[in-house]
Amino acid sequence: DSGVTQTPKHLITATGQRVTLRCSPRSGDLSVYWYQQSLDQGLQFLIQYYNGEERAKGNILERFSAQQFPDLHSELNLSSLELGDSALYFCASSPHLAGGPRTTADTQYFGPGTRLTVL
Amino acid sequence: DAKTTQPTSMDCAEGRAANLPCNHSTISGNEYVYWYRQIHSQGPQYIIHGLKNNETNEMASLIITEDRKSSTLILPHATLRDTAVYYCIVRVGRSSASKIIFGSGTRLSIRP
Repeated sequence: DSGVTQTPKHLITATGQRVTLRCSPRSGDLSVYWYQQSLDQGLQFLIQYYNGEERAKGNILERFSAQQFPDLHSELNLSSLELGDSALYFCASSPHLAGGPRTTADTQYFGPGTRLTVL
Repeated sequence: DAKTTQPTSMDCAEGRAANLPCNHSTISGNEYVYWYRQIHSQGPQYIIHGLKNNETNEMASLIITEDRKSSTLILPHATLRDTAVYYCIVRVGRSSASKIIFGSGTRLSIRP
């Protein structure tokens, strides 16, 4: 158990709909990362938040958005869903003390994922 | 982050040591070598990381060559539960945007 929790575990919805995935980081971790894993794509980085602020963006579609709340939990919002959005969505967290020396490791711990199926 | 090269697949007999190689010839001085694994559709699991010295924890050992251009993850007594995809990742430590770029990894099969 990594200490990162994600809800729901499974989500089945229809094309055109909107869903929200939730992530609670490990206690004390300030950074949250979202990743998408499709069958044919492997693990792809979507977006990172640090202490409530967006810090980095990866291959995230404009139909997708995320936020991190004051209690540090994060939500990933997926709208106008398409069949191709069916995937596993993972959240990870790390302590990530900004401004720390670059020679210090920053390990990410992953949650169990949310399996999204778009029909 | 530097690129890594891993074999696509490997197998190992249960109870034997599994040695998973990784090449990272373009690694720079402030980049760490990380290993994660993913057991069938579960979240990736952190295994170990190192900068220059060899490292050992309760899961595995990490051997990094002196020139740091390659490394080997060692699972000392492989079990069937170690069947997974293993990812070798090279990345800078703490930074303002420290995303992980996952490659294809090595699919390790443990045979009884």
